[in-house]
Amino acid sequence: AQTVTQSQPEMSVQEAETVTLSCTYDTSESDYYLFWYKQPPSRQMILVIRQEAYKQQNATENRFSVNFQKAAKSFSLKISDSQLGDAAMYFCAYRSANTGNQFYFGTGTSLTVIP
Amino acid sequence: DVKVTQSSRYLVKRTGEKVFLECVQDMDHENMFWYRQDPGLGLRLIYFSYDVKMKEKGDIPEGYSVSREKKERFSLILESASTNQTSMYLCATLEDSSYNEQFFGPGTRLTVL
Repeated sequence: AQTVTQSQPEMSVQEAETVTLSCTYDTSESDYYLFWYKQPPSRQMILVIRQEAYKQQNATENRFSVNFQKAAKSFSLKISDSQLGDAAMYFCAYRSANTGNQFYFGTGTSLTVIP
Repeated sequence: DVKVTQSSRYLVKRTGEKVFLECVQDMDHENMFWYRQDPGLGLRLIYFSYDVKMKEKGDIPEGYSVSREKKERFSLILESASTNQTSMYLCATLEDSSYNEQFFGPGTRLTVL
């Protein structure tokens, strides 16, 4: 099984500042997908951003961007201009492009946004 | 919008009871998943299904079974609930395209007394 590691159980950021959440993963495959999911308090998990491993360009979605370092097996999420609504649990996830539909999730990072 | 619904947000059961958690999706997705979410452990896959009547064990299937008689419905069954099955249970579907997005239900917080 693949392993996904999020080494920061909790993070905090001042409103309007930038924060980076870390994620590393272990795989021997070359073709895969990486995801960041957001789970707000008492609300459904939603996709924030995704990255295909074959793409060298880092994905961006408005204030959210990733730093994908394939050789280092690192996939960090940067949130710019943090807003109160960004407060949530964030999960990093991995899925192979070739071997089935199973997703592997990290243990999550709880992000607090300080007004 | 894809909708994934779960039968209960909160459920309290007694040890030894048989428990059914229901998940329904409205987007005709082939793949459906059941996860368990515990603090510090993230999401762990219990079972998934890639078609009607087809199922695969995930990482922690012990103590659980599943049923998928219709494409839109995927049920998780705790044959004899135990206190260590107290947890948040999340159902998800997988979009049948190269986009790979999973859609999650709101979750069922199960307490076993």
